[in-house]
Amino acid sequence: AQKVTQAQTEISVVEKEDVTLDCVYETRDTTYYLFWYKQPPSGELVFLIRRNSFDEQNEISGRYSWNFQKSTSSFNFTITASQVVDSAVYFCALGSSNYQLIWGAGTKLIIKP
Amino acid sequence: GAGVSQTPSNKVTEKGKYVELRCDPISGHTALYWYRQSLGQGPEFLIYFQGTGAADDSGLPNDRFFAVRPEGSVSTLKIQRTERGDSAVYLCASSPDGNIQYFGAGTRLSVL
Repeated sequence: AQKVTQAQTEISVVEKEDVTLDCVYETRDTTYYLFWYKQPPSGELVFLIRRNSFDEQNEISGRYSWNFQKSTSSFNFTITASQVVDSAVYFCALGSSNYQLIWGAGTKLIIKP
Repeated sequence: GAGVSQTPSNKVTEKGKYVELRCDPISGHTALYWYRQSLGQGPEFLIYFQGTGAADDSGLPNDRFFAVRPEGSVSTLKIQRTERGDSAVYLCASSPDGNIQYFGAGTRLSVL
């Protein structure tokens, strides 16, 4: 069975702090894809990143970085120097040979000024 | 270009009524998905279209739910005899190749 676990229901930090959102996945597929989406209060899911199972290189995009470790089945997301505009619910998702995405329950991130 | 458009943004209906939710995908995107999201949860897959045909409708909860995409573009999710448990945000996404899904803002359905 495929499953995505985001154990942190809610995280609250003060602006400019670094914060890491955890994502642990389960799958028996050898080829799969991992995603992070951001859902601001407006409700629209915004795509952030997609990684395939054969590429374990970490990725950095501005203040965002992602750490993919197959050994621990984790795909964690770090925001450096957080800003109030980063406040949102963040979802990790797993996709495989089919097109369905299996989603975690989300982590609500609150950045206080 | 324009993103995925969903209408209406909010729909309030009474138990037992019929509702239709519309999704306009990004132009040229052949894949279209419907999800349902309850409060505090991640989206739950309902149905996937590739072109005009439903490639997988295994996520539809029961036969009260039906979706169509007659011309391979706009899709309509139809719910018959609505129940209070159907209240949720219904999300639509489209994709050019099945890899990255781009989402609309959703339709918030409230069944009273």
